Amino acid sequence: AQSVTQLDSHVSVSEGTPVLLRCNYSSSYSPSLFWYVQHPNKGLQLLLKYTSAATLVKGINGFEAEFKKSETSFHLTKPSAHMSDAAEYFCVVSAQYSSASKIIFGSGTRLSIRP
Amino acid sequence: NAGVTQTPKFQVLKTGQSMTLQCAQDMNHEYMSWYRQDPGMGLRLIHYSVGAGITDQGEVPNGYNVSRSTTEDFPLRLLSAAPSQTSVYFCASSDDRGSENTIYFGEGSWLTVV
Repeated sequence: AQSVTQLDSHVSVSEGTPVLLRCNYSSSYSPSLFWYVQHPNKGLQLLLKYTSAATLVKGINGFEAEFKKSETSFHLTKPSAHMSDAAEYFCVVSAQYSSASKIIFGSGTRLSIRP
Repeated sequence: NAGVTQTPKFQVLKTGQSMTLQCAQDMNHEYMSWYRQDPGMGLRLIHYSVGAGITDQGEVPNGYNVSRSTTEDFPLRLLSAAPSQTSVYFCASSDDRGSENTIYFGEGSWLTVV
């Protein structure tokens, strides 16, 4: 079985300050982990992915995430927030060998940026 | 490279009507799926398919049918629309054969049932 928990439903930061969006996962198999971003009334865009290579993954728009197996976490960070980062962010876990529940989404974290 | 194409983008239905949301991908992906997105609930899996001729139920399958006659297409049918099916629907596909498993999404279909 696999699951993913996004620990914050809403995060608000000031422009230019660091961003931390937290994600914990559970998986019976070696997981692939993803972060997707969704801007209002838009589709989902891949930010970054972890697929058992380097544990620190760099994505688009200055985001990065670190896979920590001991903590079963895959938190998303960015050193300096920009107004255009305001969006909904989804952590996703995918188990390569599981067909019953292959891709599981977290419930999402809404990121707000204060001027 | 079109990726995943969903149609229609917007639709208003009356209760009891039926309709089909179309989804097509041109990446030769084996795995395709449909999700619905509701406020505060993330994306929930409706149905998925691991290849042509193979479909299975996800988390919230009731009221929806799917078929997979070709690798490219994975339509979602609402048999008798209900207001509870008002939602945003996303089709997705991924390559099940490798470890990459990047998931590609369509642009979404906004459905309102009145």
